[in-house]
Amino acid sequence: DVKVTQSSRYLVKRTGEKVFLECVQDMDHENMFWYRQDPGLGLRLIYFSYDVKMKEKGDIPEGYSVSREKKERFSLILESASTNQTSMYLCASRRTGGEEQYFGPGTRLTVT
Amino acid sequence: KQEVTQIPAALSVPEGENLVLNCSFTDSAIYNLQWFRQDPGKGLTSLLLIQSSQREQTSGRLNASLDKSSGRSTLYIAASQPGDSATYLCAARDFNKFYFGSGTKLNVKP
Repeated sequence: DVKVTQSSRYLVKRTGEKVFLECVQDMDHENMFWYRQDPGLGLRLIYFSYDVKMKEKGDIPEGYSVSREKKERFSLILESASTNQTSMYLCASRRTGGEEQYFGPGTRLTVT
Repeated sequence: KQEVTQIPAALSVPEGENLVLNCSFTDSAIYNLQWFRQDPGKGLTSLLLIQSSQREQTSGRLNASLDKSSGRSTLYIAASQPGDSATYLCAARDFNKFYFGSGTKLNVKP
C-alpha cells in the first residue's frame, strides 16, 4: 500500500522562526511535490523535485526553499516564517511515468 | 498557464439524490484529469483518474467523464449518502505539474 507521511499534523511557530516540514514516501517515487492549500484558492504548487538533489520552482516559491538529499525524503523550509505562511501544507509523490499523485495527510501550520 | 475552475463551490443535497460536480480547465493539452476527495483537516484521497485518451472512468457509485475539446470534466455520484460529505477536487495534469480547482464542498443530509 502506497504511503506518504508528513512529520507533523499540527505546528505552531512564531514569526521569524526557521521551520522545517518533512515528507517521506516509501514507494521509491522519483517525483515529489509541496503544495499549500488556502480557502478559496485551492492547492498551489510551491516546489517540486524530480530526482535527488534536483528541484524546480512551482507557482509560489517566494519565502520557501526545499531540500532533497535522499530519494524518499523531501523537506520544505521556511527560512523566516511569516503570518501569511499560515496554511495547510500538503506533500505528494508520483512515479516517473506513473499517472497518479499520492498525498500525505497534511501539516496545518500556524505562524503567530 | 492552466486554470481549473470548479462550480459550484458548495452543494447541499438530501440523501439518495444523484448529483454532478463540474470541473473546467482552460488548456485542453492535458495528460490526465484526477478527482480527489478531501475530508476536513485531512489529505487528498484519489477517487478516479481519466487519461487524456479516455472518455470516462467508473468506480462503484462514482463516474467521471472527460471532454478535452470543451475543457470539461464531471463527477457523477449516484444515490448519495451522508458519508459522501466532503470536499471534492479535480486536478489537470500538465506534464510534471498538476493544477487544482478550489473544490466543491458537498453536504449530504440524512
